[in-house]
Amino acid sequence: DQQVKQNSPSLSVQEGRISILNCDYTNSMFDYFLWYKKYPAEGPTFLISISSIKDKNEDGRFTVFLNKSAKHLSLHIVPSQPGDSAVYFCAASVYGNEKLTFGTGTRLTIIP
Amino acid sequence: DVKVTQSSRYLVKRTGEKVFLECVQDMDHENMFWYRQDPGLGLRLIYFSYDVKMKEKGDIPEGYSVSREKKERFSLILESASTNQTSMYLCATHKANNEKLFFGSGTQLSVL
Repeated sequence: DQQVKQNSPSLSVQEGRISILNCDYTNSMFDYFLWYKKYPAEGPTFLISISSIKDKNEDGRFTVFLNKSAKHLSLHIVPSQPGDSAVYFCAASVYGNEKLTFGTGTRLTIIP
Repeated sequence: DVKVTQSSRYLVKRTGEKVFLECVQDMDHENMFWYRQDPGLGLRLIYFSYDVKMKEKGDIPEGYSVSREKKERFSLILESASTNQTSMYLCATHKANNEKLFFGSGTQLSVL
């Protein structure tokens, strides 16, 4: 039972354009969401997070949007750069719980 | 920054062997986790520990056990390795709930 889903396994975007990665969740108890980025042969690294009291959080080129009614979040990267090519995982948790549930990942390729 | 060290980058084992994967963190964090990453399935939680000698099952604990004798070290044990345990294994830690996870570089295990 996949509680966090990333329906696009891969995405290709031209350098300089906007990359939009999507994530859907089914568990209405989730109230804290994170995005991680993973390069080959490395562990995932934290990118950005958002709690359910907000609907948007920005950090430089990265913005995460949360739509609680649709149980949907998205990560926007603008402008996209070649170094952004990686696998992106969204993750969700219930506040105060140690356990993080990850999505299946989206491989983003930035085309120079 | 937090350093999470996994003892091996690559391991090749035979079916039926007992396998130990070791993980050490240098930041005195209470919580430690073991995930496996498989294509199309994302990261799935095997076990986690919130204190020395304490452990909790994750989503896919079957065929695995763990040991946490010291705060900085969390070991994953495959009692009798099987081919369906061929995977990338990732250890992670965080300071407290809802803090970002720090991951090790991963161990690619192949069971032949």
